[in-house]
Amino acid sequence: DAGITQSPRHKVTETGTPVTLRCHQTENHRYMYWYRQDPGHGLRLIHYSYGVKDTDKGEVSDGYSVSRSKTEDFLLTLESATSSQTSVYFCAISEARSDEQYFGPGTRLTVT
Amino acid sequence: AQSVTQPDIHITVSEGASLELRCNYSYGATPYLFWYVQSPGQGLQLLLKYFSGDTLVQGIKGFEAEFKRSQSSFNLRKPSVHWSDAAEYFCAVGSYSGGGADGLTFGKGTHLIIQP
Repeated sequence: DAGITQSPRHKVTETGTPVTLRCHQTENHRYMYWYRQDPGHGLRLIHYSYGVKDTDKGEVSDGYSVSRSKTEDFLLTLESATSSQTSVYFCAISEARSDEQYFGPGTRLTVT
Repeated sequence: AQSVTQPDIHITVSEGASLELRCNYSYGATPYLFWYVQSPGQGLQLLLKYFSGDTLVQGIKGFEAEFKRSQSSFNLRKPSVHWSDAAEYFCAVGSYSGGGADGLTFGKGTHLIIQP
């Protein structure tokens, strides 16, 4: 299995509070991604990174920001969490742009 | 923009029977196609991928998929299912032809139920 960890694995937070999710990889892969999974929607891309300090938006980026200061870490921040951001968040990595992606175990976030 | 359709939300199959999960995609260029499986409470595991070449690709756990350009399909098959195959299956297409976001576009998934 690819060396991908996500923290925390579970979090409950209140509306309006900031939240940061962390993805850590030990594979030295260039590309990292954040997806959210919701019933009936499959997985949708939030943001991705193609190198240190290089990031771009995905399909559902509103309300989210990301940062990547080191190859191994990719952070997803909800500046002011809303109930619509209750979801399961997955991090993924790939070695090159056209390679398959490997997924982390996910973080279940509940915003009350 | 590309899209992926998995027409079957749920499929029930008897253990030992054959399986086919359908996937149709919409994409302007040559697609990169993937099938992933997700067991309850787990992350996604790659079953197989198609980039180019032979249109019949073999994956892990006895799965295979066939790319049919004329039908814009990439259906997943297994000749004989096991109870452990019960899971959610996702088809995905990669966007790599420039313009738009890198990353995968997923179908909404097919929930596979195995009857004893």
